[in-house]
Amino acid sequence: AQSVTQLGSHVSVSEGALVLLRCNYSSSVPPYLFWYVQYPNQGLQLLLKYTSAATLVKGINGFEAEFKKSETSFHLTKPSAHMSDAAEYFCAVSDGSGNTGKLIFGQGTTLQVKP
Amino acid sequence: GAVVSQHPSWVICKSGTSVKIECRSLDFQATTMFWYRQFPKQSLMLMATSNEGSKATYEQGVEKDKFLINHASLTLSTLTVTSAHPEDSSFYICSAPTGYYGYTFGSGTRLTVV
Repeated sequence: AQSVTQLGSHVSVSEGALVLLRCNYSSSVPPYLFWYVQYPNQGLQLLLKYTSAATLVKGINGFEAEFKKSETSFHLTKPSAHMSDAAEYFCAVSDGSGNTGKLIFGQGTTLQVKP
Repeated sequence: GAVVSQHPSWVICKSGTSVKIECRSLDFQATTMFWYRQFPKQSLMLMATSNEGSKATYEQGVEKDKFLINHASLTLSTLTVTSAHPEDSSFYICSAPTGYYGYTFGSGTRLTVV
């Protein structure tokens, strides 16, 4: 069965500092992995996704993630945090039942950005 | 891009009443809709999957008779919380696959049962 684990429920960085949000996956098939951002009382917005093409995936708002099969990881990074990046971040994996399968979400990581 | 419109954004209802949440695909046909529930500061938990014209598939532990899902057309899926109780208070989000591992999410509905 597919699953994802996000290490660290809360991450705090200073504005301008590197953002690193960790995600490890478990999958019995080649995984399709996603990072989403959620602002309070809103739906989810896709930051980026890995679908077995390039292992380094660039997303919106300066975020990127690298798929590392040997480490079963898909960590999200951004070189310089902005105040507007403060939000909840979710890593997700597709359940493997095709390109319309359900998503399985990690526990989420709250990113706090300090001025 | 593909948009799912979810209504209402928030609703307060009395205990014992029913509440309907609608998700409409505005510019594409959604043959499948996923319904999630999210408690404060927690992740999204899949409740059920609806497919147009057929019965919804519920995840283990989700009460089918309490959370009625209807997907009568390719552009509308609804979730009805029947005989709502305070423990049903939560944030409900719908999501539709848009092809090649694309998913679009509704903006969510904050349900408060008093």
